[in-house]
This record gives sequence, C-alpha cells and structure tokens, in this order.
Amino acid sequence: NAGVTQTPKFRVLKTGQSMTLLCAQDMNHEYMYWYRQDPGMGLRLIHYSVGEGTTAKGEVPDGYNVSRLKKQNFLLGLESAAPSQTSVYFCASIQGSSTGELFFGEGSRLTVL
Amino acid sequence: KQEVTQIPAALSVPEGENLVLNCSFTDSAIYNLQWFRQDPGKGLTSLLLIQSSQREQTSGRLNASLDKSSGRSTLYIAASQPGDSATYLCAVSIIQGAQKLVFGQGTRLTINP
Repeated sequence: NAGVTQTPKFRVLKTGQSMTLLCAQDMNHEYMYWYRQDPGMGLRLIHYSVGEGTTAKGEVPDGYNVSRLKKQNFLLGLESAAPSQTSVYFCASIQGSSTGELFFGEGSRLTVL
Repeated sequence: KQEVTQIPAALSVPEGENLVLNCSFTDSAIYNLQWFRQDPGKGLTSLLLIQSSQREQTSGRLNASLDKSSGRSTLYIAASQPGDSATYLCAVSIIQGAQKLVFGQGTRLTINP
C-alpha cells in the first residue's frame, strides 16, 4: 500500500522557472492538501481540494496553482519560481470526515536559486 | 484566526524518563486534535487523534489529552527511548468550507541513551 506519494523528492530551480509537483494517493480519499514547511513557521496550507475537479485557497496561496483532474492526483504548480518558495512541500489526504486521520507524503524539497 | 503553540521548542531528556509535551490553541471550536511525529527529512506520521468530544486517547506508551475549554492538549510519553527522538507536532482541525488542520511549530525531542 503506497499511501501518499510525492514526486519529485528533490528539485533545484532557477528564479523564474516553472515546475509541477505531483501528489498521488491510492486510498480513494476525497480531500487533498498541499502544505509548505519552513523553519520557525511550521506547516502552512497552500491550497486544498475537497474532491475531483475542485480546488480552494489556503493560508499562503500566492505564487502557486493547483489542479485536481483525477481524484487520486493533486498537482501543485509554480509558474515563475522565486527564492521565497524555497521550502519543503508536503501533500496530505483524508477521507473527508471531520473525524478522519490525515495521511502525509514524505515531502518534496525545492530550492530556488 | 486559530493559532497553535507548542512549548518548549526543544526538549532533551535521559532515556527512561516520562515526559510531557504541550500544545495550546486559541479557538476552542475544533473538530479534533492530532499529534504527529516527524523524523528528519521525512513526512509526518499520525500518532493519536482525539475527537472534540473525547478527553484522551492512548496508544502504547503514548497518551494524549484534550481540554477544549482551556485550549490545551498534552502528549505524555512513558519510559522514553532513544527511538522516540523526533519532532512532535500537534494540529487542530477546523472547518471553513472543508476540514483543515492548523499546526503548531513542533517540539524537537531528544532522548539521550
């Protein structure tokens, strides 16, 4: 059982380049989330999705776009990367119940030079 | 706006000791509270999930309590072991259109052999 899988795990970008992070879950979960984790800031919600074809903004959405074309996949895009987007990105999923447990991927470390 | 605080930021204790990690939150309107463990360079693993109607949850040597009225939760670790060394994060679940977690910044725990 793979759970939540993120690709790539590491990436180095130059300022202004674009890239997409892929999150895939095999648990048939409805809700999916993208968080970023920075030293001293904890985890902050970027965007989330409550089901296939839906997306919504979280706490820090600027500079990111997302898509949920298939239920099992949630993509996070950076159109024009900035050094401030250097971070570790985590994807998570949950069945959708308010009583549910959140499952996390292992993270994607992004460095923007 | 919900804010979650964890004190202390770091804790170092000798092996075998019992210890308590603290988590406080500002808004008592939560659905649940989760404690997570994060090892260096890894994702988050859910340890315990306490529903808002519950007072505590136990798993092995771990016991988590929740006092919604005072906005506090504690994670008790009995008979600590070096393998317990990790960062422990708490997160409260809020509903604003969809279930979302607000995280504390974590407590970095070191158990010395």
